[in-house]
Amino acid sequence: QKEVEQNSGPLSVPEGAIASLNCTYSDRGSQSFFWYRQYSGKSPELIMFIYSNGDKEDGRFTAQLNKASQYVSLLIRDSQPSDSATYLCASPLRGNTPLVFGKGTRLSVIA
Amino acid sequence: DTEVTQTPKHLVMGMTNKKSLKCEQHMGHRAMYWYKQKAKKPPELMFVYSYEKLSINESVPSRFSPECPNSSLLNLHLHALQPEDSALYLCASSQDVGETQYFGPGTRLLVL
Repeated sequence: QKEVEQNSGPLSVPEGAIASLNCTYSDRGSQSFFWYRQYSGKSPELIMFIYSNGDKEDGRFTAQLNKASQYVSLLIRDSQPSDSATYLCASPLRGNTPLVFGKGTRLSVIA
Repeated sequence: DTEVTQTPKHLVMGMTNKKSLKCEQHMGHRAMYWYKQKAKKPPELMFVYSYEKLSINESVPSRFSPECPNSSLLNLHLHALQPEDSALYLCASSQDVGETQYFGPGTRLLVL
């Protein structure tokens, strides 16, 4: 079974702190990874994607990929209450297949 | 522009009704998807269309019938649904299968 695993949380962080969201995947051949944010009652919104080992930064968000450890993470710097949402990790795992989603991690940023 | 539109936003239907959900994108994407999402669960893939052909049906009951009239439009026809089919129905599109997916706002469906 090809899988993307996430801790469902909730993960609570104080406002201004760094939130670290983690995801592991089962298929060593996976090439691309996506992070989506989903507010309650709304649809998933793409935050970032990453293909290469290492870090990719976009504003307050940094995606990190370690293919050797089959691990991808999302760091949110200077967390704000508006970042409170569920974060979904996804990957097509191998080849031209639809994205497989993790169960999502619920983040709560406390003011 | 990465917009996917869906209509209606909300739908209430009885178990004997027939209704349709609509999805549209003008990004030139060749892959379109239907997902079902229950509260506190991740999106669950239902159907995938690639180049206007149905390429994946995730063993969805026949009371859900997808249709892709052209490369920009995707419909989901609903008939004789059950209360447990109440959920958020999401449409998504991508340049090709496996690439970055963009989601529409969803249709909140309630089956009475």
